[in-house]
Amino acid sequence: EADIYQTPRYLVIGTGKKITLECSQTMGHDKMYWYQQDPGMELHLIHYSYGVNSTEKGDLSSESTVSRIRTEHFPLTLESARPSHTSQYLCASSARWTEAFFGQGTRLTVV
Amino acid sequence: AQTVTQSQPEMSVQEAETVTLSCTYDTSESDYYLFWYKQPPSRQMILVIRQEAYKQQNATENRFSVNFQKAAKSFSLKISDSQLGDAAMYFCAYRSRSNFGNEKLTFGTGTRLTIIP
Repeated sequence: EADIYQTPRYLVIGTGKKITLECSQTMGHDKMYWYQQDPGMELHLIHYSYGVNSTEKGDLSSESTVSRIRTEHFPLTLESARPSHTSQYLCASSARWTEAFFGQGTRLTVV
Repeated sequence: AQTVTQSQPEMSVQEAETVTLSCTYDTSESDYYLFWYKQPPSRQMILVIRQEAYKQQNATENRFSVNFQKAAKSFSLKISDSQLGDAAMYFCAYRSRSNFGNEKLTFGTGTRLTIIP
């Protein structure tokens, strides 16, 4: 069973608010990822990290930012939420030669 | 850049029957991993099966098996004896093994599988 956790599971928030989506894993994985999943279910990589203090932007441009100060923690922040940020956000982690393990996701709605 | 293509947006199968989901990919690398993930309506992504490109033998996990054709860059998933619990979105994914640091997981667009009772 994968030990990767995302909080909150659901979030409804007003436009202009700052939000942080949390992602933590207890498997000691060095690699972590954030994906945005659109209503058609397609997955888009928005951020990834290969280790502490290493973050890269993904294939889909995003206004969000991430940090990786500790191995187990990879939070995603939106400084000013907009309705266009409404989506499902999936966090994942992996070791170098293993598959990725996914959290349960955060469904964000910006009103 | 690697790309993964799933040409079947939706598939359906009668319970207890067999269904095959298609996946093709494009890469210039020789060493990589391929995966099939399942995302049930509860939305947590779960690994179904993985295949290392250097292995010629097709991976099998109980009722799930793959047909890996490296030269054709094809990686299909066969589900035998389909069960109601198999209903989900299925994603094919690629991950490089060759270069340290270049190990993003690239997904296809998914196939929605419906099981008909």
